Amino acid sequence: DAGVIQSPRHEVTEMGQEVTLRCKPISGHDYLFWYRQTMMRGLELLIYFNNNVPIDDSGMPEDRFSAKMPNASFSTLKIQPSEPRDSAVYFCASSRQREGQDTQYFGPGTRLTVL
Amino acid sequence: GQSLEQPSEVTAVEGAIVQINCTYQTSGFYGLSWYQQHDGGAPTFLSYNALDGLEETGRFSSFLSRSDSYGYLLLQELQMKDSASYFCAVREESGGYNKLIFGAGTRLAVHP
Repeated sequence: DAGVIQSPRHEVTEMGQEVTLRCKPISGHDYLFWYRQTMMRGLELLIYFNNNVPIDDSGMPEDRFSAKMPNASFSTLKIQPSEPRDSAVYFCASSRQREGQDTQYFGPGTRLTVL
Repeated sequence: GQSLEQPSEVTAVEGAIVQINCTYQTSGFYGLSWYQQHDGGAPTFLSYNALDGLEETGRFSSFLSRSDSYGYLLLQELQMKDSASYFCAVREESGGYNKLIFGAGTRLAVHP
């Protein structure tokens, strides 16, 4: 199995620009999670989907952030407009229904730098 | 609300045994998970304990005591490649949903 795939791996952009992060979960997985990791705040859950439906987006920082999952094999996290404080590593993870949320498989992450 | 406490750093030598503790406070408990993350890498699932007791997987073992709201990860025969951050995580139920909450992580440094 290919594992969770994320793109791009690195993104450098200027403040005010739109950023789109992409994720392909492991085939057959029912849950998809978006996390953000920083030194200050650690690993934070932003939003998660179950069977392509957003379940809990209470971790999304503000309206500048949005996430979609149009089908079982693709999800996007968009930041518009981006700000320097959004600089972080963004991870996508997926898991199987029968394993619940406790066993998650993480992608390699996207390191975002907003100048 | 949810809180997890784990030491920020642990140092050990190759071949030794190290124990990383995790205490938690939760309104509803399902189980305790452990993840490993190397610098520049992604978190990788190590183990999950839903019931009291010790779970062993090779050199790594994980323990849970639900009555004490406490668990630990035990790493034996330490190798240099075990130098990484280790996160405990519990599932929180809030507003009818549940989600995995991660501790701040314990940075393990293994020296020759």
